[in-house]
Amino acid sequence: AQSVSQHNHHVILSEAASLELGCNYSYGGTVNLFWYVQYPGQHLQLLLKYFSGDPLVKGIKGFEAEFIKSKFSFNLRKPSVQWSDTAEYFCAVITYNTDKLIFGTGTRLQVFP
Amino acid sequence: GAVVSQHPSRVICKSGTSVKIECRSLDFQATTMFWYRQFPKQSLMLMATSNEGSKATYEQGVEKDKFLINHASLTLSTLTVTSAHPEDSSFYICSASPRLANTDTQYFGPGTRLTVL
Repeated sequence: AQSVSQHNHHVILSEAASLELGCNYSYGGTVNLFWYVQYPGQHLQLLLKYFSGDPLVKGIKGFEAEFIKSKFSFNLRKPSVQWSDTAEYFCAVITYNTDKLIFGTGTRLQVFP
Repeated sequence: GAVVSQHPSRVICKSGTSVKIECRSLDFQATTMFWYRQFPKQSLMLMATSNEGSKATYEQGVEKDKFLINHASLTLSTLTVTSAHPEDSSFYICSASPRLANTDTQYFGPGTRLTVL
């Protein structure tokens, strides 16, 4: 069965530090990849997505992610985090044979001023 | 645009009672709605997919007689937890895909916290 792994469960950073959150998936075929963010008390929102084309995808609020097919990875990055980036981040995958979103367990990011 | 609401946001009920959770797409029509369940410190797990006017498709391991889903209109889907037990306590989240969009375009509701005593 397809699965999504997020190895960082809890990340604590100071403002202006760089961020990279790992995401790996298990599926050998074509995938669509997503990063969602859930700010405290709010609903899930789409940060960015990859369907095809340039493997470096830019999203909202300065986030970007790189799809590396050979590594089955879709890591999320931001060069300089802000306190307002404190949230839970979820990586998700849709595979062409299931048409369903499969989520990782999430990474809780805390940014301190 | 693309706002999805859920009601109630929190509900506490006694064991054995039934609870209905509503999911509404406020500013778009949703052909497909999804129901997820999230346990503490765990991922969102898809419970079922509902298409307007047809029966829901349940994921393996999800009891369809316990989690009744109705998608009677293009803007409303309901999840009824029947004869709730403490182990049903969880965070239930719905999402909706706009009509004519692929199901990979999903807008999420804020979730409903269910506590069964």
